[in-house]
Amino acid sequence: EVVMTQSPAALSVSPGETCTLSCRASDSVSDQVAWYQQKPGQAPRLLVYGASTRATGIPARFSASGSGTDFRLTISGLRSEDCAVYFCQQYKSWPSSFGGGTRVEVK
Amino acid sequence: QVQLEQSGAEVEKPGASVRVSCKASGYRLIDYDINWVRQASGQRPEWMGWMSPNSGSTGYVYKFQDRVTMTWDSSKSTAYMELKRLTSEDTAVYFCAVGIEGSTYSFDHWGQGTLVTVSS
Repeated sequence: EVVMTQSPAALSVSPGETCTLSCRASDSVSDQVAWYQQKPGQAPRLLVYGASTRATGIPARFSASGSGTDFRLTISGLRSEDCAVYFCQQYKSWPSSFGGGTRVEVK
Repeated sequence: QVQLEQSGAEVEKPGASVRVSCKASGYRLIDYDINWVRQASGQRPEWMGWMSPNSGSTGYVYKFQDRVTMTWDSSKSTAYMELKRLTSEDTAVYFCAVGIEGSTYSFDHWGQGTLVTVSS
């Protein structure tokens, strides 16, 4: 099973700033990576699929890149509503697997 | 508008079984697999497997293979996930999810989740 490792586990950022979340796969997963945002008591919300394609309705301040084993999600111009846990997921290798998440706090 | 409406919370004893339902609407249902993902409190999501409403085919993650059954009732447009021989480690929120935009396995639509608590 491909293990997805996210870093950092948590970060605190001021409004308007930019943060970058990282996700590393234990084996190459090509570009078969998705990113999700999850708020307390809610289902995950798809932000990005195919490593870099924003899902419908996702603001342009969310951008993502990467291929192979290293992936990044960048959130620009952070807003208070971006407070959430962000998960990466690989779906190249069976079974699909998720990272442990990065908790983002907006100060 | 795609909607996935799940059944309510369940409390079960160890060794029992639980069945969670997921009523789908708002899209061409047979075209997209329904996936089940569970998430224990404070933990990462865990994908359990998929079911095709079109063919009835299923694919289960190995760790659940001998305990899970995923089915589809076309008359009710509803998917079911049954998990047997429950233990306390099965306590989690269970989600149904569909990937329509992008990949089958990048999930852009989710149910609201069903909390399953396993406790004696």
